[in-house]
Amino acid sequence: GQNIDQPTEMTATEGAIVQINCTYQTSGFNGLFWYQQHAGEAPTFLSYNVLDGLEEKGRFSSFLSRSKGYSYLLLKELQMKDSASYLCAVLNSNYQLIWGAGTKLIIKP
Amino acid sequence: IAGITQAPTSQILAAGRRMTLRCTQDMRHNAMYWYRQDLGLGLRLIHYSNTAGTTGKGEVPDGYSVSRANTDDFPLTLASAVPSQTSVYFCASSGTGSEDTGELFFGEGSRLTVL
Repeated sequence: GQNIDQPTEMTATEGAIVQINCTYQTSGFNGLFWYQQHAGEAPTFLSYNVLDGLEEKGRFSSFLSRSKGYSYLLLKELQMKDSASYLCAVLNSNYQLIWGAGTKLIIKP
Repeated sequence: IAGITQAPTSQILAAGRRMTLRCTQDMRHNAMYWYRQDLGLGLRLIHYSNTAGTTGKGEVPDGYSVSRANTDDFPLTLASAVPSQTSVYFCASSGTGSEDTGELFFGEGSRLTVL
């Protein structure tokens, strides 16, 4: 089967750094996405990785290792507004998006 | 503002009733999708359409039907609602051009409760 694993919930402190991990087992790979979803709202796109390495976009960075089936999302200088769920999704060889259940990130002052 | 519009935002429905969730996009995206999101589970694909006039079944299609008469509209119909269809439904679209990454643009969601 195909599956995406990510922690259910994480807690971090305002101003700190947090890393959200995602491991995947899919039939083929055509890219990995990270989305942010605030409670009661729609998911919004954060990042896309198709090659190994780190993609940096402001306070957010996303890393991919295809050989390890592993990605992480790194959030720096955490703000209260970063409290949200973070969804990892992989595009498999059939161009189907496989979604993780999401990681709920709680930011404390 | 360009994007995806879903209606209704929320609905309470008696079991056995027919319900259509509407979805309209103005980004001229070829691909459109319907997902349901339930607590503790990832987004699950119900139906999709790669282009106007074509549709396909996703992971959980039973009890749902879709149509794609034109590029902009992609309604989802529950022919006879059951309580297990209580969920939040998201419509999404994506571009399929050579420069598109496959990023999905989501509507605001429709919260459906079937009693």
